[in-house]
Amino acid sequence: GQNIDQPTEMTATEGAIVQINCTYQTSGFNGLFWYQQHAGEAPTFLSYNVLDGLEEKGRFSSFLSRSKGYSYLLLKELQMKDSASYLCASMDSNYQLIWGAGTKLIIKP
Amino acid sequence: DAMVIQNPRYQVTQFGKPVTLSCSQTLNHNVMYWYQQKSSQAPKLLFHYYDKDFNNEADTPDNFQSRRPNTSFCFLDIRSPGLGDAAMYLCATSRDAGAAGELFFGEGSRLTVL
Repeated sequence: GQNIDQPTEMTATEGAIVQINCTYQTSGFNGLFWYQQHAGEAPTFLSYNVLDGLEEKGRFSSFLSRSKGYSYLLLKELQMKDSASYLCASMDSNYQLIWGAGTKLIIKP
Repeated sequence: DAMVIQNPRYQVTQFGKPVTLSCSQTLNHNVMYWYQQKSSQAPKLLFHYYDKDFNNEADTPDNFQSRRPNTSFCFLDIRSPGLGDAAMYLCATSRDAGAAGELFFGEGSRLTVL
């Protein structure tokens, strides 16, 4: 079956760095996506990886290892507005997104 | 600004009373999606359209129907809402099938069933 695993909840301190891990098992692979979702709002696209390695975009970076079925989202210089759920999604061979349930990130002052 | 707009943002209905949720987009994207998302759960794909080609997910209940009368608009009909259908309904678009991972979401329609 197809499956995405990510921690349910994480807590970090304002100004610090946090890494949110995701492991995936999908039928085929056409990319790994991260979305941010604030409470009560729709998800917004953050990043996309299809090749191994690190993609950096400002304070956010995303890493992929296809051989390990593993990705992480790295958030630096955390701000209170980064409190949100972060959803990992893998695209399978049919170009369908398989979604994780999201990691709720709580930022403390 | 080009965007995805959903109406209504909040919908309250009685058990069994039909509802229709709408979605419009000004992005001129080819693909439109309807997702259901319950609290702290992954979004669940209900339907998607590649242009006018309708795709029904295998486990989408018959109680849910969808229409896409033109490129810009899409509707979700829930014929007889049950308590288990209370959720956030998200409309999304992507430029084409090859860009199906980068989705543009509307703000969602939150459905309450009494």
